Amino acid sequence: QLQLQESGPGLVKPSETLSLTCTVSGGSISSSSYYWGWIRQPPGKGLEWIGSIYYSGSTYYNPSLKSRVTISVDTSKNQFSLKLSSVTAADTAVYYCARHTVVVPAAMSWFDPWGQGTLVTVSS
Amino acid sequence: SSELTQDPAVSVALGQTVRITCQGDSLRSYYASWYQQKPGQAPVLVIYGKNNRPSGIPDRFSGSSSGNTASLTITGAQAEDEADYYCNSRDSSGNHPDYVFGTGTKVTVL
Repeated sequence: QLQLQESGPGLVKPSETLSLTCTVSGGSISSSSYYWGWIRQPPGKGLEWIGSIYYSGSTYYNPSLKSRVTISVDTSKNQFSLKLSSVTAADTAVYYCARHTVVVPAAMSWFDPWGQGTLVTVSS
Repeated sequence: SSELTQDPAVSVALGQTVRITCQGDSLRSYYASWYQQKPGQAPVLVIYGKNNRPSGIPDRFSGSSSGNTASLTITGAQAEDEADYYCNSRDSSGNHPDYVFGTGTKVTVL
């Protein structure tokens, strides 16, 4: 059974860089069938897709965050990571990682499974 | 990027049927996926594609799509279905893949 687990600091200072890692277990991150994504949810608000990465390193980012986001993959550790620079209080959120399935010919995609999420607070 | 609009809240009597809608231009080109989120928990996929349920999701959950609107229907709602529901789809407005979540619908089971 595939499982994902987020890890990283729970507190980040304004203007610094938020760094999180997602460790995948029960399956290989190098599977050619999947992307791997990051999604966040500010307290009391809705979900926001941050970006997704293929095992080869190809990435897609939310245009509204693209200038500050870097997603990378380490296939040797079965992990992928998120870096968000120049954070402000507006970046305070629960950050989730998830496997992202994209079936282009069928025009469908979905996120499943999800990690449990990790709360990152931006505060001095 | 384009938006996916959902009603903020709906209520349904126990055992009755509720339909949750998601509207957006991208849904004319791409199927929506649907997620259930209970308080303090991660979202769970309940419907993807035309009308596909992951293993373990009860068959009272179903999906449909017409024009710019995708719908999630719960037939015979149970108390445990009380949750927030979000749709998601690829955005069709840009050159690069962009994925958008709906605004979310809180479902209350009376």
